[in-house]
Amino acid sequence: RKEVEQDPGPFNVPEGATVAFNCTYSNSASQSFFWYRQDCRKEPKLLMSVYSSGNEDGRFTAQLNRASQYISLLIRDSKLSDSATYLCVVSLPNDYKLSFGAGTTVTVRA
Amino acid sequence: EAGVTQFPSHSVIEKGQTVTLRCDPISGHDNLYWYRRVMGKEIKFLLHFVKESKQDESGMPNNRFLAERTGGTYSTLKVQPAELEDSGVYFCASSPLTGGDTQYFGPGTRLTVL
Repeated sequence: RKEVEQDPGPFNVPEGATVAFNCTYSNSASQSFFWYRQDCRKEPKLLMSVYSSGNEDGRFTAQLNRASQYISLLIRDSKLSDSATYLCVVSLPNDYKLSFGAGTTVTVRA
Repeated sequence: EAGVTQFPSHSVIEKGQTVTLRCDPISGHDNLYWYRRVMGKEIKFLLHFVKESKQDESGMPNNRFLAERTGGTYSTLKVQPAELEDSGVYFCASSPLTGGDTQYFGPGTRLTVL
């Protein structure tokens, strides 16, 4: 079983729409959770960390469900510039090693 | 502030040849990581340096891969001899020793082994 699993998509949405997707992680001991964004042929960049209580950064909202071992990302009022691959990333306590999902592709169309 | 840099951006070599990838972390970052993404797969951890010491090399696929970080600044990753399955994008990342767990990634080196 993969450490982190994501729906690869693609999610094709019109500008202004809301899009949401999840990822699941296999190790219940995972402690740190992140969403990274990766544009085509570019490096992954941290979008946001995910906290237990859920957190919001502008149009982006992340949620963590430890009981079910999944993390979600919701993008409101989608912009063309939100088109990217979103990587779900987790790590264990006291472990710098990041475990990546394969990514969810989002395409926002005009 | 300059980000993580990697050289070369692309490398095309033949099976059996040697290739050395270089990573320059963000200045002052003691943690340095190597990751790899092979075609169609997720990004996978290779190893982690703290300064010049290998902290975790559990992700290194085999002994054809050698990573060094002499002096605790830049790092090199040598593949010798290269095999077809080594093709992929090799990312380097760095983070400070304290003050947060965000890893900053370089643009990657795209390695193609023919």
